[in-house]
Amino acid sequence: AQSVTQLGSHVSVSEGALVLLRCNYSSSVPPYLFWYVQYPNQGLQLLLKYTTGATLVKGINGFEAEFKKSETSFHLTKPSAHMSDAAEYFCAVSVYGGSQGNLIFGKGTKLSVKP
Amino acid sequence: DSGVTQTPKHLITATGQRVTLRCSPRSGDLSVYWYQQSLDQGLQFLIQYYNGEERAKGNILERFSAQQFPDLHSELNLSSLELGDSALYFCASSVKENYGYTFGSGTRLTVV
Repeated sequence: AQSVTQLGSHVSVSEGALVLLRCNYSSSVPPYLFWYVQYPNQGLQLLLKYTTGATLVKGINGFEAEFKKSETSFHLTKPSAHMSDAAEYFCAVSVYGGSQGNLIFGKGTKLSVKP
Repeated sequence: DSGVTQTPKHLITATGQRVTLRCSPRSGDLSVYWYQQSLDQGLQFLIQYYNGEERAKGNILERFSAQQFPDLHSELNLSSLELGDSALYFCASSVKENYGYTFGSGTRLTVV
């Protein structure tokens, strides 16, 4: 069965520092992987996705993620944090059918950015 | 604006009552998904519809039901409401089932 684990429910960085949010997945078939961002009192917005092809995926707002099959990871990074990046980030893996819909979400990582 | 419209944005109601949440998917999207988000449970998948038919069912209580209409909009009905039903309810839609979802901005339900 597919699953997603996000390491760290809270991550705090200083403005200008590297952002690294960790995501590991479990999947018996080649996965499609996604990162979503949720700002306070808003819905989830798709940041980026990996389906096939290039393993380094670039998304919106300067974020990128690298699919590493050998490590079953899809970590999200941004070279320089901005105050506006403070939000909750969700990693997700796609499944085919099943009782959880087509995306299984991790529990989320709340990112704080200190001035 | 994501293209997925949810109404109402906020709803306050009393225990034991029944409410209906509405979702209009993005134009062209056939799949609609409902999620409940609360502080203690996180993001919980409730139910999925595809072109009017129920496709997958998650952690949806028997007091809750949903449907998708011919024009593809969907409604989530919550009855016999309890305090613990207070949460954000999100609707999402997708054109292809594994290509990621587009989420609406949610309905915040408060049961008092």
